[in-house]
Amino acid sequence: DAGVIQSPRHEVTEMGQEVTLRCKPISGHDYLFWYRQTMMRGLELLIYFNNNVPIDDSGMPEDRFSAKMPNASFSTLKIQPSEPRDSAVYFCASSSSQGTGELFFGEGSRLTVL
Amino acid sequence: KQEVTQIPAALSVPEGENLVLNCSFTDSAIYNLQWFRQDPGKGLTSLLLIQSSQREQTSGRLNASLDKSSGRSTLYIAASQPGDSATYLCAAHNTNAGKSTFGDGTTLTVKP
Repeated sequence: DAGVIQSPRHEVTEMGQEVTLRCKPISGHDYLFWYRQTMMRGLELLIYFNNNVPIDDSGMPEDRFSAKMPNASFSTLKIQPSEPRDSAVYFCASSSSQGTGELFFGEGSRLTVL
Repeated sequence: KQEVTQIPAALSVPEGENLVLNCSFTDSAIYNLQWFRQDPGKGLTSLLLIQSSQREQTSGRLNASLDKSSGRSTLYIAASQPGDSATYLCAAHNTNAGKSTFGDGTTLTVKP
């Protein structure tokens, strides 16, 4: 398996623009997580899904953030409108409830909002 | 609420030295504990996962231990190399899936 795949790897946008980050989890994994990492706050869990259903979105900072998982192989994290304080690295991770629960991360999407 | 602490935040050692990274957690009812490595600008790479029924796991020069009663896990790196320089994070998983709690990491520098 190719691992967790995220796109784009880098995104530079202007304040007020819509940003969409994409994630393909490892095939067969039934849990998908979106994290945000900054120097100031470290790694923060934004939202996670089980079998494509959002389970906990309490980490989503504001209504400007939304996430969807239309099927088992694809998820999006959308920010609309974006603000400079949203600049961070956004990671997607997946795991399987059938086994050890080991968590696997993608390479991340580095977002810069000017 | 689970809290995970990693001390020290940064560590610098000469090449060849054996070293130990520490991870403490407050809720001992964990399902497993996972150690990651993160290189600058990269994602988190899984190093070792210790299930709650285990006491240690080994992979090459790495050995991770788990003591649930004391709320501690350690990552032992033998014969450190400059290529080991990275940030090491531990994560406590309280179920076999779902939410995990991460420490802030220890940034390791191995000097040639």
